[in-house]
Amino acid sequence: AQSVSQHNHHVILSEAASLELGCNYSYGGTVNLFWYVQYPGQHLQLLLKYFSGDPLVKGIKGFEAEFIKSKFSFNLRKPSVQWSDTAEYFCAVRPNNAGNMLTFGGGTRLMVKP
Amino acid sequence: DAGVIQSPRHEVTEMGQEVTLRCKPISGHNSLFWYRQTMMRGLELLIYFNNNVPIDDSGMPEDRFSAKMPNASFSTLKIQPSEPRDSAVYFCASSSNLGTGGGSYNEQFFGPGTRLTVL
Repeated sequence: AQSVSQHNHHVILSEAASLELGCNYSYGGTVNLFWYVQYPGQHLQLLLKYFSGDPLVKGIKGFEAEFIKSKFSFNLRKPSVQWSDTAEYFCAVRPNNAGNMLTFGGGTRLMVKP
Repeated sequence: DAGVIQSPRHEVTEMGQEVTLRCKPISGHNSLFWYRQTMMRGLELLIYFNNNVPIDDSGMPEDRFSAKMPNASFSTLKIQPSEPRDSAVYFCASSSNLGTGGGSYNEQFFGPGTRLTVL
């Protein structure tokens, strides 16, 4: 079965620090990749997605992610975080043989101190 | 676009009662998903419909849970009888096909969730 690992469960940063959240998956074939964000008390919203093409994907709110196929990774980055980025971040993978089903990672809780 | 609509937003009930959660997907979307989120277990997929047909219900916890999608614009998730361990936030999500070719789908859009508390 496919799995998605987010190794950092909790991250605490100060404002203006750089962010990198790890995401690794276990599937050898073609995948679609997603990062979702869940602000406190809210629903999941899409930050960015990778389907094909340029492996460096730009998303909303200054986030980006890089797909490295050889490492089965899709890490999320932001050069300078803000207090408003405090949220839980979920990586999700959709293998091309899984229909429309996503496999989500366990999430990373980010706290940004003002 | 109103997005995915869920009702109720909050539900408090007593153990043994029947609970029905409702979802209206985004118009034109043909895939619908029910998820459950808890602190202990994270985000779990319960069931997935495509074109109103259940495709995968392997995540449904047990026979107390059932889901239906009678038409393209409405789905229900029912718990009967409810138990305290069912307390969670239940999300509905929908997505559309990318268009040409089989097996190509867009991202999932999530609703605001229903926070269920079973006493």
